[in-house]
Amino acid sequence: GAVVSQHPSWVICKSGTSVKIECRSLDFQATTMFWYRQFPKQSLMLMATSNEGSKATYEQGVEKDKFLINHASLTLSTLTVTSAHPEDSSFYICSASEGQGGRGVPYEQYFGPGTRLTVT
Amino acid sequence: GQNIDQPTEMTATEGAIVQINCTYQTSGFNGLFWYQQHAGEAPTFLSYNVLDGLEEKGRFSSFLSRSKGYSYLLLKELQMKDSASYLCAALDSNYQLIWGAGTKLIIKP
Repeated sequence: GAVVSQHPSWVICKSGTSVKIECRSLDFQATTMFWYRQFPKQSLMLMATSNEGSKATYEQGVEKDKFLINHASLTLSTLTVTSAHPEDSSFYICSASEGQGGRGVPYEQYFGPGTRLTVT
Repeated sequence: GQNIDQPTEMTATEGAIVQINCTYQTSGFNGLFWYQQHAGEAPTFLSYNVLDGLEEKGRFSSFLSRSKGYSYLLLKELQMKDSASYLCAALDSNYQLIWGAGTKLIIKP
């Protein structure tokens, strides 16, 4: 149980194009979803937190117009990297939480497998 | 401000025991998580402590002292597959996870 999927697993795109990454909670309803970015040999960096039906909360320094987040339902959140540039190449990971309720530890985050983005 | 401190890197020998420490300073506290992350993969949940004391789960144990703002993850009978980064994260008063930078654990034969 508590499975989170991400699609695609990896993507290569040209500079200037946009890329959409999907994050789905497969067997539970996620009250909150999180998007992280991780550069090689560095720690997880939280980009934004999103709750179903409301606008995402972005961390300081993360451009909301560049990283568009849509949390359309309790099982789906999408991250769109607009006008991607080589410096956006990174490992993007989503996680989902059931909040206080749910099967696991309260506020435990279940992680997707990640999406490796390479912008050429 | 909120802060999580843990060592950047540790090295241990296969079959031995290693303790990874974590200190935290957060606005309120609602528990502490440990996650394991292998290179190129997403983190996986290891443990959660909200009360003082030691929680044992197989070869892995996690300890918490709320008064000291301190936790550790204890790994026994180390195996090569335990080579990974170990992330400490504290849940603050807003139920937001504050992440440490992770400790890279290198296991040598």
